[in-house]
Amino acid sequence: EIVLTQSPATLSLSPGERATLSCRASQNIGSYLAWYQQQPGQAPRLLIYDASNRATGIPARFSGSGSETDFTLTISSLEPEDFALYYCQQRSNGPPTYTFGQGTKLEIK
Amino acid sequence: QVQLQESGPGLVKPSETLSLTCTVSGFSISSGYYWGWIRQPPGKGLEWIGSIYHSGSTYYNPSLKSRVTISVDTSKNQFSLKLSSVTAADTAVYYCARVDGDFDYYRYMDVWGKGTTVTVSS
Repeated sequence: EIVLTQSPATLSLSPGERATLSCRASQNIGSYLAWYQQQPGQAPRLLIYDASNRATGIPARFSGSGSETDFTLTISSLEPEDFALYYCQQRSNGPPTYTFGQGTKLEIK
Repeated sequence: QVQLQESGPGLVKPSETLSLTCTVSGFSISSGYYWGWIRQPPGKGLEWIGSIYHSGSTYYNPSLKSRVTISVDTSKNQFSLKLSSVTAADTAVYYCARVDGDFDYYRYMDVWGKGTTVTVSS
């Protein structure tokens, strides 16, 4: 089973700053990584798929990069509504099973 | 606009079976995609439970496989989750989601329901 490890667990920044979130896979997963944002009390929302493609309606300040085992979600200039939980997710090769990282909490400093 | 809505009992007794339904609107399940269930225990992260294709093919999380059944009713445009022998550890918010991708490689969840809270307690 592929394990996704996100870091840091908590990131404290101020509005306007740049946020860099990391997701590391225990095995090579190519570019098949997705990122989600979850606001308190809400369902997750797809931000990025296939490592670097923004989902429909996602602002350009969100960008994803990486491949194989190391991936990054970057928020170029934080808006107040960006402070939330972020999860990465991958699909295994072969039969489709899915795993999530443990999450990174982005909080206001 | 595709929308998903979970429904089912909010309280289930230990050892009983949890049953939830996801109703899809704005898109016909018969047209394709995988459809999945994901849960989130209080204060914890996301856990994929299982997925079903419109044809009925199913895939389950190995850690839950012995207790999970997912089925689809294309006539009602719904898919359902049954989780047997529940314990307090199954208390969570349960989400249904559409699994998207291309070249028959469905790999990310692009549309989510709002979630429904299920508590396991006597």
